[in-house]
Amino acid sequence: GQQLNQSPQSMFIQEGEDVSMNCTSSSIFNTWLWYKQDPGEGPVLLIALYKAGELTSNGRLTAQFGITRKDSFLNISASIPSDVGIYFCAGHGNAGNMLTFGGGTRLMVKP
Amino acid sequence: EAGVAQSPRYKIIEKRQSVAFWCNPISGHATLYWYQQILGQGPKLLIQFQNNGVVDDSQLPKDRFSAERLKGVDSTLKIQPAKLEDSAVYLCASSPWTRGDTQYFGPGTRLTVL
Repeated sequence: GQQLNQSPQSMFIQEGEDVSMNCTSSSIFNTWLWYKQDPGEGPVLLIALYKAGELTSNGRLTAQFGITRKDSFLNISASIPSDVGIYFCAGHGNAGNMLTFGGGTRLMVKP
Repeated sequence: EAGVAQSPRYKIIEKRQSVAFWCNPISGHATLYWYQQILGQGPKLLIQFQNNGVVDDSQLPKDRFSAERLKGVDSTLKIQPAKLEDSAVYLCASSPWTRGDTQYFGPGTRLTVL
């Protein structure tokens, strides 16, 4: 089945620093999604990417859909304490409406 | 616009007992999904409904898990009997008819099986 490799698994950074995380896949996806999950809550959609090469921003967040359609990255600029949480990438392919999730990147921000 | 609602938020049961979870999707969303999220992992799809029909239940352990969406709106997920390894967060998500790739999640139900 399809698998997504997400890295890094965890990051501990200083407030104000920029953050970068990425996902790679062995299969092509038609859509890439980035979610943030806070403890005890469900994932919240941050950014959705629908075309290869697409670069989309949402405030301090920027994500790109890789040209090969097998990867995506998420950047967070000028991190703040409320950025703490687990970030998941998810890919949507041709097989029905199934989303395949990466293993998550746990972000910790030191004030 | 109200989001995806789930209840209960937490449930603790003993192994071999039964448990049921409820989900109310975003109004107008035709597609509803149930995911299982084990601690430290990403969500894994259990079952997908389109209106009241099952689209994909290939990863649902059918010997103990069942789900229904009788009127094409609310859905229930049941586990009978529960095993220790069923301890996880059960997430419900929904998406519009035309954008199945954009799914919105509820807060989840955290199940602990003792």
